[in-house]
Amino acid sequence: AQRVTQPEKLLSVFKGAPVELKCNYSYSGSPELFWYVQYSRQRLQLLLRHISRESIKGFTADLNKGETSFHLKKPFAQEEDSAMYYCALRRAGNMLTFGGGTRLMVKP
Amino acid sequence: EAQVTQNPRYLITVTGKKLTVTCSQNMNHEYMSWYRQDPGLGLRQIYYSMNVEVTDKGDVPEGYKVSRKEKRNFPLILESPSPNQTSLYFCASSLSWGAQGGELFFGEGSRLTVL
Repeated sequence: AQRVTQPEKLLSVFKGAPVELKCNYSYSGSPELFWYVQYSRQRLQLLLRHISRESIKGFTADLNKGETSFHLKKPFAQEEDSAMYYCALRRAGNMLTFGGGTRLMVKP
Repeated sequence: EAQVTQNPRYLITVTGKKLTVTCSQNMNHEYMSWYRQDPGLGLRQIYYSMNVEVTDKGDVPEGYKVSRKEKRNFPLILESPSPNQTSLYFCASSLSWGAQGGELFFGEGSRLTVL
């Protein structure tokens, strides 16, 4: 069965420090992974997807099939990055399995 | 403005009193879905719909019903709510169900408390 694990419920860093939000998955097929973000008082929204290989708001994520991971990274955290981050795995069609989420707090 | 709209946003009810949470999208999306969000568990899918009159169970469908009579609406029905259904509910939609269905657009959420 497919599963997405985000081991950290809370991650606190200082502004300007590097940040890495961990995501591990288990899936028997060819995985397609996403990061969704929920800023305070806003809707959950797509941040990035691995197939696009893009950098959004300075964040990148690389799919590592050997380690079954899709960690989200940013070299210099900003206060406006404080939010709830969810890693998600496409399991069939457009159905997603979400991880438990990590709350990122960036302190000034 | 393209969006997914849920109502009510907040509701406190009592055990056994039937309620409906409405979801409407104005983007002509085929795929719609309901999730519940609980601390530490992330979002879990309750039901989804691939198109009008086509619905199926997600991971946690017990205690819920849905219908999809029109493309834009996908209400979530709790026939006899229980306290374990206290949660934050999200409706989401995308262009289609398939892998090319595109980004999921989420509503603002409906916080339900069952006493």
